[in-house]
Amino acid sequence: NAGVTQTPKFQVLKTGQSMTLQCAQDMNHNSMYWYRQDPGMGLRLIYYSASEGTTDKGEVPNGYNVSRLNKREFSLRLESAAPSQTSVYFCASSESGTSGNTIYFGEGSWLTVV
Amino acid sequence: ILNVEQSPQSLHVQEGDSTNFTCSFPSSNFYALHWYRWETAKSPEALFVMTLNGDEKKKGRISATLNTKEGYSYLYIKGSQPEDSATYLCASPVYGSARQLTFGSGTQLTVLP
Repeated sequence: NAGVTQTPKFQVLKTGQSMTLQCAQDMNHNSMYWYRQDPGMGLRLIYYSASEGTTDKGEVPNGYNVSRLNKREFSLRLESAAPSQTSVYFCASSESGTSGNTIYFGEGSWLTVV
Repeated sequence: ILNVEQSPQSLHVQEGDSTNFTCSFPSSNFYALHWYRWETAKSPEALFVMTLNGDEKKKGRISATLNTKEGYSYLYIKGSQPEDSATYLCASPVYGSARQLTFGSGTQLTVLP
């Protein structure tokens, strides 16, 4: 049971470099999310996709772009990485976008920007 | 309460002790309250999703209650074991959209053998 799979697990970037975090879910969920986790703070929503073909900004979208490639896949792109984007990134999915549904998380991607 | 807040921030208990911690959230326009358990280097794992005032849910030695009128939820762990050591996160929509969960900063529980 793969659930939510995200890659890479670890990445070190130089300031100004770009990269894409990949995420795929095999639960046939409609909604997908990208969160970041920083020390002393809760998970903060970057972007979400309520359904295939739609994306919306979350709490902290600046410096990121997303693509909902199909129902399974939702990628997060950092166009020009900054040290402030050093964080742990979690992809997640749920059956639908309303808050009564359980969210299933990937194992996280540790990103360091130097 | 304008945000999702959890207390205490961290907690150390002895094996066998029972413990509880609190999640506070805005009581207006309530949609749902989630509890997650997160072990370091693993995915956060859902414990409960609660939607009704007065809800009580139980999973093994872990239970949770919900008071939507006053905006709080308690998570209880009975007879704590070392494997219960984790960060416990709660989440609820705050910004008026049912789609956007706001997470608290978590309670880090350490159970000492």
